[in-house]
Amino acid sequence: DAKTTQPNSMESNEEEPVHLPCNHSTISGTDYIHWYRQLPSQGPEYVIHGLTSNVNNRMASLAIAEDRKSSTLILHRATLRDAAVYYCIHIIAAGNKLTFGGGTRVLVKP
Amino acid sequence: DAGVTQSPTHLIKTRGQQVTLRCSPKSGHDTVSWYQQALGQGPQFIFQYYEEEERQRGNFPDRFSGHQFPNYSSELNVNALLLGDSALYLCASSRLTGGFPYEQYFGPGTRLTVT
Repeated sequence: DAKTTQPNSMESNEEEPVHLPCNHSTISGTDYIHWYRQLPSQGPEYVIHGLTSNVNNRMASLAIAEDRKSSTLILHRATLRDAAVYYCIHIIAAGNKLTFGGGTRVLVKP
Repeated sequence: DAGVTQSPTHLIKTRGQQVTLRCSPKSGHDTVSWYQQALGQGPQFIFQYYEEEERQRGNFPDRFSGHQFPNYSSELNVNALLLGDSALYLCASSRLTGGFPYEQYFGPGTRLTVT
């Protein structure tokens, strides 16, 4: 299974940006990086995905390193509702199986 | 759109019993995956169904089995329950025919407690 490495936890103040790092050193050229988050007492929800280029959507931005061995999820202005566990997932090409690690628990302080 | 729905919400079973959990995928989705999430850990992939067949399987024993119906809904069956099977069971749906990569939509889960 494809493995990713993330810090266990991070803290941020409300309305400040949050940068969540992820290492995926075994990634190959056609593998995607997906991010999901899990709010308390809910199932995981999709955040964003990328292959090579940086990506933006309404929830977040994803910055992928040039060698693709690491990426950073950016929450531009954290809100209390962004407090969750964020999972970085390396998906093998054409696969659909999500291999979750421990994720990063994000605490947002008012 | 109701999204992914799961039933029941909570369930308490005794060791050795059998349990069936149910999942209805998001409208337009054709693939259902099941995950087990122990307390404080990330979800672990059990298996995935597409076109009524098991397409992929994680590292789970044969006590865990499933089924997908023609309307794309799915069941997860666990036989001979063990205390260690106590967990949140999550169902996720996606649309394989829409092309890779496949965003998965998760249901709220079924909390199973084995006593």
